[in-house]
Amino acid sequence: ETGVTQSPTHLIKTRGQQVTLRCSSQSGHNTVSWYQQALGQGPQFIFQYYREEENGRGNFPPRFSGLQFPNYSSELNVNALELDDSALYLCASSAGQEFNQPQHFGDGTRLSIL
Amino acid sequence: DAKTTQPPSMDCAEGRAANLPCNHSTISGNEYVYWYRQIHSQGPQYIIHGLKNNETNEMASLIITEDRKSSTLILPHATLRDTAVYYCIVRVADSGGYNKLIFGAGTRLAVHP
Repeated sequence: ETGVTQSPTHLIKTRGQQVTLRCSSQSGHNTVSWYQQALGQGPQFIFQYYREEENGRGNFPPRFSGLQFPNYSSELNVNALELDDSALYLCASSAGQEFNQPQHFGDGTRLSIL
Repeated sequence: DAKTTQPPSMDCAEGRAANLPCNHSTISGNEYVYWYRQIHSQGPQYIIHGLKNNETNEMASLIITEDRKSSTLILPHATLRDTAVYYCIVRVADSGGYNKLIFGAGTRLAVHP
């Protein structure tokens, strides 16, 4: 069983640029959530996708957007990058949205903004 | 805001049981307690979850108090590879009808020889 995979593993961008991060969910999982983890802190919820629609969002501005595809893979897009966007971006998938369905995380994309 | 409180750090001797406490006094009736751990430079790893009954799997045991206001994660025989940050999380419902994980600062567990 293939777990959650994310690409790329590392990325360097400059302020003002745009970035797309990718996530392949675990087989059989239809729900994908994205998290941002700043250095030394716990992950912060960005948004969740279920059946190709965003159905929940944390306290992040609209320049953070996403997509989910029919095969349940997902993208996170960030426009107008700022220095504070430097972080580890984590994707997690689960077999549904129910409270008792664990979310399984990938190893993330480390984004550095210069 | 996280609905859990954990000690910032703990130590454990290799081969001994590691007991990691967590307080979640404001937990609601249908909210589950989840435990994850994160080893440096990796994504969080799911360990175990529970609602009100004690749970056990191949990795750990979860003991939830009867009033559900606190829980303890037990690693029965800690090894050096168990050194990580352990997050106790209450999976909360949002007004939009979905639910999410809210991470706190976690407990940094150091297992030593």
